[in-house]
Amino acid sequence: DAGVIQSPRHEVTEMGQEVTLRCKPISGHNSLFWYRQTMMRGLELLIYFNNNVPIDDSGMPEDRFSAKMPNASFSTLKIQPSEPRDSAVYFCASSLQGNQPQHFGDGTRLSIL
Amino acid sequence: GENVEQHPSTLSVQEGDSAVIKCTYSDSASNYFPWYKQELGKRPQLIIDIRSNVGEKKDQRIAVTLNKTAKHFSLHITETQPEDSAVYFCAANSGGYQKVTFGTGTKLQVIP
Repeated sequence: DAGVIQSPRHEVTEMGQEVTLRCKPISGHNSLFWYRQTMMRGLELLIYFNNNVPIDDSGMPEDRFSAKMPNASFSTLKIQPSEPRDSAVYFCASSLQGNQPQHFGDGTRLSIL
Repeated sequence: GENVEQHPSTLSVQEGDSAVIKCTYSDSASNYFPWYKQELGKRPQLIIDIRSNVGEKKDQRIAVTLNKTAKHFSLHITETQPEDSAVYFCAANSGGYQKVTFGTGTKLQVIP
């Protein structure tokens, strides 16, 4: 079991640039979650998918953020245009179903200059 | 939506002592309560979870208790060791049970 795989592990870019974060969930898991973690706001759920369909995106901060899950083995989180306040660690997690333990990836540490 | 409150925000204990972290939740329909441990610079990892059909669950030095009437649940770590030092998050499910809401975390420091 390879676990949840996220890329890149670190991203440093200038404000205004497009940022794309990637996630490969554990094979067979039907639910996928994107979280953002900061010291100030803790661990926030941005969006989650069930069977590749977005179920709840109420945590997405604004229209600059978008997420897709084109198939069961891949999801992206995009920020366009990026701003310094988007700097955070972004985690992807997956679970067999929504009401089951979530397995987190190692996260992407994003810095917007 | 679900609101999860967690206390204390920081906790220091001597090695060998017990540590207790408490959480409350607001959604009476919640029925799944996981606990995660996050070491510095690493990902959150599930350490134990409990469902509403039981009141207590143990796994070696870790135990979780649930009081559905009062809507609170707690994590108990006995015989603490330095490697228990980390941030611990409680969570409760909501939103048709498919998502969990996390507490704000407790930074536990075990002093050798």
